[in-house]
Amino acid sequence: QQQVKQSPQSLIVQKGGISIINCAYENTAFDYFPWYQQFPGKGPALLIAIRPDVSEKKEGRFTISFNKSAKQFSLHIMDSQPGDSATYFCAAMEGNEKLTFGTGTRLTIIP
Amino acid sequence: DAGITQSPRHKVTETGTPVTLRCHQTENHRYMYWYRQDPGHGLRLIHYSYGVKDTDKGEVSDGYSVSRSKTEDFLLTLESATSSQTSVYFCAILRLAGRYEQYFGPGTRLTVT
Repeated sequence: QQQVKQSPQSLIVQKGGISIINCAYENTAFDYFPWYQQFPGKGPALLIAIRPDVSEKKEGRFTISFNKSAKQFSLHIMDSQPGDSATYFCAAMEGNEKLTFGTGTRLTIIP
Repeated sequence: DAGITQSPRHKVTETGTPVTLRCHQTENHRYMYWYRQDPGHGLRLIHYSYGVKDTDKGEVSDGYSVSRSKTEDFLLTLESATSSQTSVYFCAILRLAGRYEQYFGPGTRLTVT
């Protein structure tokens, strides 16, 4: 049972464009929603996170949009750069212990 | 890198042999986790620990066992390795300062032939 559904599986965006990755969840007890970035050969690293009491969080070029009623959240990368090429995972946490991850999106930024 | 190391980083083993992967942390974090990463499945939790000798199962725990006899070490054992356990294994710790953040180690690539 996949509790966090992520789309698309892969995404190609031109340099300077906006990259958008979407996630949906079922468990209304989830109360923390992080995004992780992973480069080849490395472990995932926390990029940005949001709690459901706000609808948007922005850190630099990265923004999370959160829709509690629709049980959806998305990552927007503005002015996408080749260095942003990586695999991105959304996740959700219930309580303070375990994360449930989406299946990942491989993002490629082309010049 | 939150002071997390994993060993070995790469291992090739034969079906039916036992394998132990080690995760070591230097920052005295209470929570530690083992995940496996496979294409199309993302990261799936195998087992986690919330203290010395306190562990619990994740969503894909069959065929795996863990032990934590010291705060700094969390061991993952494949009792009898199978080809379906070929994967990249990541250890993580939970940092609770400010926001909840799981920091991941560099990973261990395991191939079972």
